[in-house]
Amino acid sequence: AQRVTQPEKLLSVFKGAPVELKCNYSYSGSPELFWYVQYSRQRLQLLLRHISRESIKGFTADLNKGETSFHLKKPFAQEEDSAMYYCALSGLTQGGSEKLVFGKGTKLTVNP
Amino acid sequence: KAGVTQTPRYLIKTRGQQVTLSCSPISGHRSVSWYQQTPGQGLQFLFEYFSETQRNKGNFPGRFSGRQFSNSRSEMNVSTLELGDSALYLCASRREGSPDTQYFGPGTRLTVL
Repeated sequence: AQRVTQPEKLLSVFKGAPVELKCNYSYSGSPELFWYVQYSRQRLQLLLRHISRESIKGFTADLNKGETSFHLKKPFAQEEDSAMYYCALSGLTQGGSEKLVFGKGTKLTVNP
Repeated sequence: KAGVTQTPRYLIKTRGQQVTLSCSPISGHRSVSWYQQTPGQGLQFLFEYFSETQRNKGNFPGRFSGRQFSNSRSEMNVSTLELGDSALYLCASRREGSPDTQYFGPGTRLTVL
């Protein structure tokens, strides 16, 4: 079964501090993993995906297949990073259908 | 490009009624997916449509249905509403191609009284 676990519902850090949002997954095949972010009063949007191996807004995430984890990290948090973060897993079917399985989300608050 | 749009943005219904929500994908996007978001269950996949055909379905009762039109616009319908159907319903579109980003709409907030 596909499952995504985000163990922290709430995470609070101070501006300039490092931040790590945890995500663990369960999937029998080769997963595609994503981080989505939802800022206050805005729609859900893609932050980054593991296959891109890129850094977006200073955030990076590394897929660790051994630990089945895809933690999101940023070395120096900014107040504008305060948002709801969702880890998601996608399993493409042979027919090309993509279904996203989301974790419950972590609300990040960056304090001044 | 205009983003994914959903109408209406807010809806209040009573138990037993039925409701239809609409989603217009980004121009050129042929895949439309629907998700239900609740505080308890989080974001859950409802179904995906592509070329007017349902291609994938989540674990929801048959009261939840959908369709897609030739212009890729999609509707979802919930019949015999229950209190537990109160949720934010999100629509997402993507261009076909593997893999590709799903772009989400603002959602329709459904309240069932």
